[in-house]
Amino acid sequence: SAVISQKPSRDICQRGTSLTIQCQVDSQVTMMFWYRQQPGQSLTLIATANQGSEATYESGFVIDKFPISRPNLTFSTLTVSNMSPEDSSIYLCSVEDPGPSYEQYFGPGTRLTVT
Amino acid sequence: AQSVTQLDSHVSVSEGTPVLLRCNYSSSYSPSLFWYVQHPNKGLQLLLKYTSAATLVKGINGFEAEFKKSETSFHLTKPSAHMSDAAEYFCVVSDLDDYKLSFGAGTTVTVRA
Repeated sequence: SAVISQKPSRDICQRGTSLTIQCQVDSQVTMMFWYRQQPGQSLTLIATANQGSEATYESGFVIDKFPISRPNLTFSTLTVSNMSPEDSSIYLCSVEDPGPSYEQYFGPGTRLTVT
Repeated sequence: AQSVTQLDSHVSVSEGTPVLLRCNYSSSYSPSLFWYVQHPNKGLQLLLKYTSAATLVKGINGFEAEFKKSETSFHLTKPSAHMSDAAEYFCVVSDLDDYKLSFGAGTTVTVRA
């Protein structure tokens, strides 16, 4: 298994500003994922981040709004840019299990409120 | 693309009675399926997983699920609910090609004393 930490755990931001969320893993992993969970909703995949290449974004998410960095095999950041109240969500990062089970381990999430 | 449908948005049970959370999946080939639980203000925790081994899968905290290919179902059960089982439960399917997870809409479980 993997232990994942995220910073910050929560934040309240003003519209028009940007917030960078950090995700740290206690072991080297190839694939990291970023999800959004809007209030009362399920999780939606934002993008997949592999070390050494650009992130792959899902439909409805663009790099200008959610730039992602993956500088090494244990760390990634997600930036939420030019925020609006609609960006208020929990943002979670996850990593894949290196074995054959295809499960993912999730960080505790970052609760973002945009006012 | 793979997807899951959780048939109940909310399930309410009495403590000590069985819990059944229903999930149907759509997949073009044999999927990997998971149940995750999310307690209020807590992270996601894996309850159990199916990866083409035994069709009856046992997980943590007394939960189990049965993979039924003919019914494309992966229902989650527990014989006796505990107050601590009150949480949000997600049925999840994995795309084997790229590790992407597709989450169901979630089922909120409340447990009455």
